[in-house]
Amino acid sequence: DAKTTQPNSMESNEEEPVHLPCNHSTISGTDYIHWYRQLPSQGPEYVIHGLTSNVNNRMASLAIAEDRKSSTLILHRATLRDAAVYYCILLNTGNQFYFGTGTSLTVIP
Amino acid sequence: EAEVAQSPRYKITEKSQAVAFWCDPISGHATLYWYRQILGQGPELLVQFQDESVVDDSQLPKDRFSAERLKGVDSTLKIQPAELGDSAMYLCASSLGLAWSSYEQYFGPGTRLTVT
Repeated sequence: DAKTTQPNSMESNEEEPVHLPCNHSTISGTDYIHWYRQLPSQGPEYVIHGLTSNVNNRMASLAIAEDRKSSTLILHRATLRDAAVYYCILLNTGNQFYFGTGTSLTVIP
Repeated sequence: EAEVAQSPRYKITEKSQAVAFWCDPISGHATLYWYRQILGQGPELLVQFQDESVVDDSQLPKDRFSAERLKGVDSTLKIQPAELGDSAMYLCASSLGLAWSSYEQYFGPGTRLTVT
């Protein structure tokens, strides 16, 4: 299974942008890049996904490097409700949904 | 907004006892997943159903765990006998189609199992 590497933890000040990095150097051409987050005491929730082009939705933006070996999840204005563990996942036909340990984001008021 | 339902939310059982968890996915979702999440780790996929058929159960400890989705709607995950190491959060998720089709998964609140 294609694996990803994320920092264990990050901090951000409230109302400032947050850039969460993910390295996936073994990504294949047809792997989708998915991001999920898990708030304390809740199940994970979908954030965003992309293949090659940058993607935006109401929750976040996903910036994908030109060589696709890394990506960055961007929260434009962090709020206290954004404090969660963020998981970067690669998906392709036959891949398991492998979460890894993710990045624990702390938002400082 | 439709949600994935799970019950019970909390379960305490003694080792060697049997325990069962129930999941009701979002209506119309063909794919159902069971995950186990140990404290401090990410969720680990145990079994994946497409309608009533098992697509992937390679990580399911089949000597003690079983899962079924008889009518392709709700699902039950059973552990018999429970062991101390089974203490974890058990999460159910559903999606319109298979994960590798890039469909997003919707997770339930989970069942917190404590084995004593």
